[in-house]
Amino acid sequence: NAGVTQTPKFQVLKTGQSMTLQCAQDMNHNSMYWYRQDPGMGLRLIYYSASEGTTDKGEVPNGYNVSRLNKREFSLRLESAAPSQTSVYFCASSPTGHNEKLFFGSGTQLSVL
Amino acid sequence: GENVEQHPSTLSVQEGDSAVIKCTYSDSASNYFPWYKQELGKRPQLIIDIRSNVGEKKDQRIAVTLNKTAKHFSLHITETQPEDSAVYFCAASIRGGADGLTFGKGTHLIIQP
Repeated sequence: NAGVTQTPKFQVLKTGQSMTLQCAQDMNHNSMYWYRQDPGMGLRLIYYSASEGTTDKGEVPNGYNVSRLNKREFSLRLESAAPSQTSVYFCASSPTGHNEKLFFGSGTQLSVL
Repeated sequence: GENVEQHPSTLSVQEGDSAVIKCTYSDSASNYFPWYKQELGKRPQLIIDIRSNVGEKKDQRIAVTLNKTAKHFSLHITETQPEDSAVYFCAASIRGGADGLTFGKGTHLIIQP
């Protein structure tokens, strides 16, 4: 039972490049989330998906897009990366929805030069 | 939107002593308050959560208390051990709300041998 799996673990981009962060969960959870973590800032919600087929903006959605490909997979795309998007990105899923009891992936450390 | 303040930012205690971390929230409609533990380089993990219809919850050496009137909640760790060293995050949300969890900025707990 892998839980929440994120790829890649590390990535370096140049300003303006694009990339997609992949996330998959094998716990049959309906709700999935993308957070970013910056030093001294805690975790901030980028986008979430309450169920397959739905996505909604969180606190800091600008510069990102998401796709809920199916119940298992929720991807985050940076269309034109900026240095301000240098961060650690965490995907999470919830068995109950409602932002409760989040299970986090191991994170992606992204640097934009 | 919700605003969560967390104090202190760093807490150093002797092994075996108790540790208390405090959070305040701004939105009186918030009704779900989880605590996450994040060890260095690892993913955040839920350690305990409480809903607003409960004033206190315990799980072995950890407990959370909630004062709805004052809009603050606290994490208590008794008989601290070296493995308790980590960053602890409090959070608040409206169960079922669209805005997701709002996290505090974290407390770095250091257990001195």
